[in-house]
Amino acid sequence: DAKTTQPPSMDCAEGRAANLPCNHSTISGNEYVYWYRQIHSQGPQYIIHGLKNNETNEMASLIITEDRKSSTLILPHATLRDTAVYYCIVRVARDDKIIFGKGTRLHILP
Amino acid sequence: GAVVSQHPSRVICKSGTSVKIECRSLDFQATTMFWYRQFPKQSLMLMATSNEGSKATYEQGVEKDKFLINHASLTLSTLTVTSAHPEDSSFYICSASKGSNEQFFGPGTRLTVL
Repeated sequence: DAKTTQPPSMDCAEGRAANLPCNHSTISGNEYVYWYRQIHSQGPQYIIHGLKNNETNEMASLIITEDRKSSTLILPHATLRDTAVYYCIVRVARDDKIIFGKGTRLHILP
Repeated sequence: GAVVSQHPSRVICKSGTSVKIECRSLDFQATTMFWYRQFPKQSLMLMATSNEGSKATYEQGVEKDKFLINHASLTLSTLTVTSAHPEDSSFYICSASKGSNEQFFGPGTRLTVL
């Protein structure tokens, strides 16, 4: 079973920041938080991951709360191409297996 | 970046026939490959994990005799859906890992069984 809880859907205006929340209250000390997204009829795409520090790359920022029980993925300037299902996943670094939850369907509004 | 391909991208077959789907890591050697299935409007469901040269490990509820997985080399894994039926129609996605904790996903194969 997935260890994360995400809202089923969200809307965001084009050009604005999209903030996608994720709850993972049972996360263990050795589990990372990963984010993937899946654009319709494509394979999932890796976005970002982190352990406890905030992370930023060219795609997004990941903010993890101090108690690590929740996190937020931030897409700083959403475009229509960011319309996708976003999956928040927790897993042990050495455990290759990924168990997907239901994710958040993000709609970017023009 | 690491690229994973799947072939075919779409396949339509008659009920009772077998269908083979290939998953290739194009620019790296994959120590482990994974197969997922995704029904419309649902999330990805992990079917099995395969390591090169050894038998695949199937998730609970996945019939190993129906979904045959072969991982003959470090760059190729195949999934064969045997005696396919309409309920096997789905989007099949593979991913490959090169030993780090990173997985790279293929573009998926859409199977339609008539």
